[in-house]
Amino acid sequence: SQQGEEDPQALSIQEGENATMNCSYKTSINNLQWYRQNSGRGLVHLILIRSNEREKHSGRLRVTLDTSKKSSSLLITASRAADTASYFCATVLSGNTPLVFGKGTRLSVIA
Amino acid sequence: DAGVIQSPRHEVTEMGQEVTLRCKPISGHDYLFWYRQTMMRGLELLIYFNNNVPIDDSGMPEDRFSAKMPNASFSTLKIQPSEPRDSAVYFCASSKPGAPIRSGNTIYFGEGSWLTVV
Repeated sequence: SQQGEEDPQALSIQEGENATMNCSYKTSINNLQWYRQNSGRGLVHLILIRSNEREKHSGRLRVTLDTSKKSSSLLITASRAADTASYFCATVLSGNTPLVFGKGTRLSVIA
Repeated sequence: DAGVIQSPRHEVTEMGQEVTLRCKPISGHDYLFWYRQTMMRGLELLIYFNNNVPIDDSGMPEDRFSAKMPNASFSTLKIQPSEPRDSAVYFCASSKPGAPIRSGNTIYFGEGSWLTVV
């Protein structure tokens, strides 16, 4: 069963614009991770944010976490055509369970 | 590091045939996960192992599915008999020692096995 739900399902932007993707989840978490999947490839880890963190940066990526709203956002600044991919949030529930993934946001960056 | 290696990358088989998907995790990783990805259901966890022992197989859809990990460097996912609704991309992933849950270890994915059952 899905724990995280990404929003929007699909997003199309022009190169240079910022892309924001959101993830909502249902139960308490230990941490939340974002992954990227290029077409026809496996998922690749982007960034992890722990439940006691509110914001984290990595290069052009900025992740926020609001545990009171059970939501997270991934911001990609100054997007490039190479950022075209699907982006997934994955949560680690409190307790002893592995990562549960949402269905992803398909991002298209048009040059 | 070679990464997680899966084979075959693509398989087309007829309904009723047995399908075996193979996975070699990253050396030193002691968690191994099998996921299935479809458009309708997204990415589903089928089963995961720790130190070659199956920990949770509640995601395995039916008795037609079975998974084994005979040693730390090899795992198989078998479907027998296969059905058209099993068509999906099957991913194997591995994670470093230490509970990935509490420590938040990254999961490393293979490139997937694209299965089509006709």
